[in-house]
Amino acid sequence: DAKTTQPTSMDCAEGRAANLPCNHSTISGNEYVYWYRQIHSQGPQYIIHGLKNNETNEMASLIITEDRKSSTLILPHATLRDTAVYYCIVRLYRDDKIIFGKGTRLHILP
Amino acid sequence: DGGITQSPKYLFRKEGQNVTLSCEQNLNHDAMYWYRQDPGQGLRLIYYSQIVNDFQKGDIAEGYSVSREKKESFPLTVTSAQKNPTAFYLCASSIGQDYSPLHFGNGTRLTVT
Repeated sequence: DAKTTQPTSMDCAEGRAANLPCNHSTISGNEYVYWYRQIHSQGPQYIIHGLKNNETNEMASLIITEDRKSSTLILPHATLRDTAVYYCIVRLYRDDKIIFGKGTRLHILP
Repeated sequence: DGGITQSPKYLFRKEGQNVTLSCEQNLNHDAMYWYRQDPGQGLRLIYYSQIVNDFQKGDIAEGYSVSREKKESFPLTVTSAQKNPTAFYLCASSIGQDYSPLHFGNGTRLTVT
């Protein structure tokens, strides 16, 4: 079973920041949090990952709470092309049995 | 450009026939994976391989088989024993070290009638 819980769907207005939450209350100390997204009928695309510090790259920011039991993916200026299913997963070091849940379907509204 | 190629994009078969889905990567990645996705669902792990000539079952391996004879290739055979083979199949790879992310192909949509 997936180790994360995400809302089934969310809406966000174009141009606004999209904040996608993820709960991982059973995360262990050496498990990383990863985010991927899947645009319809394509393979998932890696976005970002982190352990305990906040992370930022050209696509998004990842905010992890101090207790590491939850995180938020932030798309700073959402566009229509950000409409996709977003998956939050946790992964143990060198654990190749990587489990995906059902993700959050993000709708960007014009 | 380096990447993962899955072919064909769409595949149709009659019930009772085995079918093999191709996955090739030129990223020099050690680890490769097969996932299955049903409509409106997440990804479920079928098989994964960390090195050549070695692979492990995922959560839904029954009715599937794989081989890893070459680093760049990880074909998946959907056998007639798979009860509900119609699905979207995704192949992925990773460097296999540390916390390297997965790189996915664009999938093969298999329809069995």
